[in-house]
Amino acid sequence: QQPVQSPQAVILREGEDAVINCSSSKALYSVHWYRQKHGEAPVFLMILLKGGEQKGHEKISASFNEKKQQSSLYLTASQLSYSGTYFCGTDRETTDSWGKFQFGAGTQVVVTP
Amino acid sequence: KAGVTQTPRYLIKTRGQQVTLSCSPISGHRSVSWYQQTPGQGLQFLFEYFSETQRNKGNFPGRFSGRQFSNSRSEMNVSTLELGDSALYLCASSLAGGRRSGANVLTFGAGSRLTVL
Repeated sequence: QQPVQSPQAVILREGEDAVINCSSSKALYSVHWYRQKHGEAPVFLMILLKGGEQKGHEKISASFNEKKQQSSLYLTASQLSYSGTYFCGTDRETTDSWGKFQFGAGTQVVVTP
Repeated sequence: KAGVTQTPRYLIKTRGQQVTLSCSPISGHRSVSWYQQTPGQGLQFLFEYFSETQRNKGNFPGRFSGRQFSNSRSEMNVSTLELGDSALYLCASSLAGGRRSGANVLTFGAGSRLTVL
């Protein structure tokens, strides 16, 4: 089952904040966040592991509520470079789901000057 | 280091034909997975390979198949193409180590854009 992402799209001015949500109906081991710019490959941003551990590469924060199986990505003080489509990828907590990520439909973010 | 390489980048086929797409993972990455990306459906999981074995498969018809070679390179094949197969096909590789280490983080290739006429 595909996780549900919201909102579908958001338009921001530089410096504004935004939150993208990702919700799953299944128990998750981790949530991954990726960003895809037009015509490019999705690029890894952040992984949130069950138990609260986070591993990220950029100045973008996120949270994972294990009880609700929900993750949120926080875009703070947005920059023009934040524009793109953000996807959450969920890794279910079952041994037979190894390597099988389910991605949300994506959230298109446009940051304007 | 070199990223994930997919070939060809663009291709046009007609209904009924078949197509083979290739993916070379990052050196040292042992897992290769394939995704279909369309505007309406987002990223849909096709299958994942590790050590030449398919470990998982998505909900796609049998016309979609793949394989992985001993050097971790992977190919996917779509037979009897349909108009609805037009999409961007993304390959991703990962270290495929323990989940807790984050070794299943995906590195995507630029994709192969398939147009079926």
